[in-house]
Amino acid sequence: AQKVTQAQTEISVVEKEDVTLDCVYETRDTTYYLFWYKQPPSGELVFLIRRNSFDEQNEISGRYSWNFQKSTSSFNFTITASQVVDSAVYFCALSDSTGANSKLTFGKGITLSVRP
Amino acid sequence: ETGVTQTPRHLVMGMTNKKSLKCEQHLGHNAMYWYKQSAKKPLELMFVYSLEERVENNSVPSRFSPECPNSSHLFLHLHTLQPEDSALYLCASSQDSGNPNEQFFGPGTRLTVL
Repeated sequence: AQKVTQAQTEISVVEKEDVTLDCVYETRDTTYYLFWYKQPPSGELVFLIRRNSFDEQNEISGRYSWNFQKSTSSFNFTITASQVVDSAVYFCALSDSTGANSKLTFGKGITLSVRP
Repeated sequence: ETGVTQTPRHLVMGMTNKKSLKCEQHLGHNAMYWYKQSAKKPLELMFVYSLEERVENNSVPSRFSPECPNSSHLFLHLHTLQPEDSALYLCASSQDSGNPNEQFFGPGTRLTVL
């Protein structure tokens, strides 16, 4: 069975601070995909990144970076120099296969509040 | 502007009412999904449609009835709901291909059952 654990439930930081959102996953599959989504107050989930299990290179996109560590089954997300607009709920998710028949298993989400 | 729209955005209904949620995707995708998001819980996958056929039904009570008339539209028909069904209902779509499953989400319908 797949499982995604986001142990942090709420994080509050002051603008310009760096913040790391943790994600730990469990799966028996050797091929899987990891995702991060952002859910702003408007409600829709916004796709941030997808990473497959064979690619352990860290990725950086502007102020966002992701650290995939297969050895610890973690896929952590760091926001550098946080901004108020980063305030949202962030979900980590795991998919075990490709196509529409795959399931996205979500964590419970982390509510990030960035104060001015 | 999102490629997935949902209507209504907010809905309040009594337990004896019948209502429908609508989702439309403008992305040319051929797979669509319904999720339920309750407070303090992970998103729960309810239904998956691929090429207008239901391929996943996650033990959802029969008071929720999905309908997918074509690859661009997805409905969730609601009847005799319970207060615990109050939640945000999210629709998503994806391209059912050999690529990993990046799903695009709509803004959701906030449902309150009285």
